[in-house]
Amino acid sequence: AQKITQTQPGMFVQEKEAVTLDCTYDTSDQSYGLFWYKQPSSGEMIFLIYQGSYDEQNATEGRYSLNFQKARKSANLVISASQLGDSAMYFCATNNFNKFYFGSGTKLNVKP
Amino acid sequence: DAGVIQSPRHEVTEMGQEVTLRCKPISGHDYLFWYRQTMMRGLELLIYFNNNVPIDDSGMPEDRFSAKMPNASFSTLKIQPSEPRDSAVYFCASSPPVGLAGGSEQYFGPGTRLTVT
Repeated sequence: AQKITQTQPGMFVQEKEAVTLDCTYDTSDQSYGLFWYKQPSSGEMIFLIYQGSYDEQNATEGRYSLNFQKARKSANLVISASQLGDSAMYFCATNNFNKFYFGSGTKLNVKP
Repeated sequence: DAGVIQSPRHEVTEMGQEVTLRCKPISGHDYLFWYRQTMMRGLELLIYFNNNVPIDDSGMPEDRFSAKMPNASFSTLKIQPSEPRDSAVYFCASSPPVGLAGGSEQYFGPGTRLTVT
């Protein structure tokens, strides 16, 4: 079964700076996806970005980019130009077809 | 699209009572998932359906939990009898059919915050 590891339980970043949230995964599948979700204090789970295992280019969505290093089995999320509204929990996930496996999350605090 | 709809948003009940949580997935999505989130255990997958059929219920904690999906637009998660340790936020999520390698993203509902006293 897949496993996701997020080693940073909490992080701080200064507003307008970039921040990298770490994620490593363990899978024996050849085909899989990597996902990042944001959970603000209001509780909803918001999909941010997706990377397929066969994608050669790193995924980007606005200020979010996914630093995908397949050989190292890492899928770090990079948030550029942090904003106060980025303060939230961030979850990394992988899947086997449509069954998802989530990490324990990283709590990001953006300081003004 | 209205997104995934869950009801109720909050539920407070006494131990021993039956609790029913409801979910309406996004139209056209043929996968539906039930998750439970607690501080101690994080986000746990309880069960998921494909085309209304339960595919994997290995995450259902015990026989007190049951889930149904009678049609493509409705699912329920029932706890009978409820216990204080069932207190958590329960999320429903849906996703479209598996497309490109690695599947498709899931769209979550707002969650139901359950408190069992």
